[in-house]
Amino acid sequence: EAGVAQSPRYKIIEKRQSVAFWCNPISGHATLYWYQQILGQGPKLLIQFQNNGVVDDSQLPKDRFSAERLKGVDSTLKIQPAKLEDSAVYLCASSYRARERETQYFGPGTRLTVL
Amino acid sequence: AQSVTQLGSHVSVSEGALVLLRCNYSSSVPPYLFWYVQYPNQGLQLLLKYTTGATLVKGINGFEAEFKKSETSFHLTKPSAHMSDAAEYFCAVSSFNAGGTSYGKLTFGQGTILTVHP
Repeated sequence: EAGVAQSPRYKIIEKRQSVAFWCNPISGHATLYWYQQILGQGPKLLIQFQNNGVVDDSQLPKDRFSAERLKGVDSTLKIQPAKLEDSAVYLCASSYRARERETQYFGPGTRLTVL
Repeated sequence: AQSVTQLGSHVSVSEGALVLLRCNYSSSVPPYLFWYVQYPNQGLQLLLKYTTGATLVKGINGFEAEFKKSETSFHLTKPSAHMSDAAEYFCAVSSFNAGGTSYGKLTFGQGTILTVHP
């Protein structure tokens, strides 16, 4: 089966610019996650969707970050305006359902560099 | 709140030697624990997970981990390291929300970079 797809793989922007990342989860997976992985750290959850509804966005900087999953399948994460500290790898993951024992399957990530 | 501590940001072993990567967790409820591996410029891949039942869990590529509740540990081991094991390894615990129901959120440790020398 196809894995989690993400695009673009790399993005370089100037601070204060905007950027968007796209994720297509594994077919049939109801739960989708966006993580931020800063160099030298473990991934940190930004937002979790169950179908097209938000389950957890407590760590999403809502003044600049937004995310949507309108049809309950693919998702877009946007940053506007970007700051230097947003430089990180943005990982998308999906799981069949939102349960503690479920395996999350990760995409290859988008590496963002903010200059 | 749950947390994960990985002891040692870098571990170096010789090819054929034992691999031991340490993970300690903090959780107020019975934890579900995971080990993921990340190769350069790739996403995370599940190595193994503990949910319930047998405390010794076997995963892919010859790795295994033992859940020790009394020590709040979930250390990852492999008897004989291979050059292809060089990667970054993350331990994670699955979190519950404030209401006690589970939404599957993962809290990760900071990662351990494993280097394997010939």
